[in-house]
Amino acid sequence: NAGVTQTPKFRILKIGQSMTLQCTQDMNHNYMYWYRQDPGMGLKLIYYSVGAGITDKGEVPNGYNVSRSTTEDFPLRLELAAPSQTSVYFCASSYTLAGGQDEQYFGPGTRLTVT
Amino acid sequence: QKEVEQNSGPLSVPEGAIASLNCTYSDRGSQSFFWYRQYSGKSPELIMFIYSNGDKEDGRFTAQLNKASQYVSLLIRDSQPSDSATYLCAVNPMDSNYQLIWGAGTKLIIKP
Repeated sequence: NAGVTQTPKFRILKIGQSMTLQCTQDMNHNYMYWYRQDPGMGLKLIYYSVGAGITDKGEVPNGYNVSRSTTEDFPLRLELAAPSQTSVYFCASSYTLAGGQDEQYFGPGTRLTVT
Repeated sequence: QKEVEQNSGPLSVPEGAIASLNCTYSDRGSQSFFWYRQYSGKSPELIMFIYSNGDKEDGRFTAQLNKASQYVSLLIRDSQPSDSATYLCAVNPMDSNYQLIWGAGTKLIIKP
């Protein structure tokens, strides 16, 4: 049971490039989330999904896109990377929505630098 | 705008003492409250959650919730050097059953 896995661990992008951050969970969780964490800041929700085929925006969705074609995978796409997207990105999953008091399980994170 | 506030620290506590971490939130109707621990360079992991006023104990950890004063705290008894980490408070606001609002975290240092 690997839990939540993310790739890559580190990436440096040039301004204007695009990339996809991969996230996979093997716990059969319906709910998945993408967060970003800037230094000294809390987690900000980018997008979330309540099941395959269903996604919705969080607090800071601009510049990102997601898809959820399977229960296991929830990739995050960055289009036209900007320096403001330099951050650590965490994928998380849970059995129920956060308000259901269930634990969110986090992946190890992707450290992204845009220069 | 809904906010969760934490003292950024660092909070320095001698080994064996009680560490007290505090968190205040702005949404009076918030439903659920979570404490996560994050070691440097690692991802957050759940320590405790609480949703009713009062205390909830789990081993060396006690979460305290006071909805009237809109604060939640985490006490760590018999602090160990391995407790040194950043502690994140997260709150589920009333009008959203999916979203957590996160504090910036308090850095805790346990001195041997």
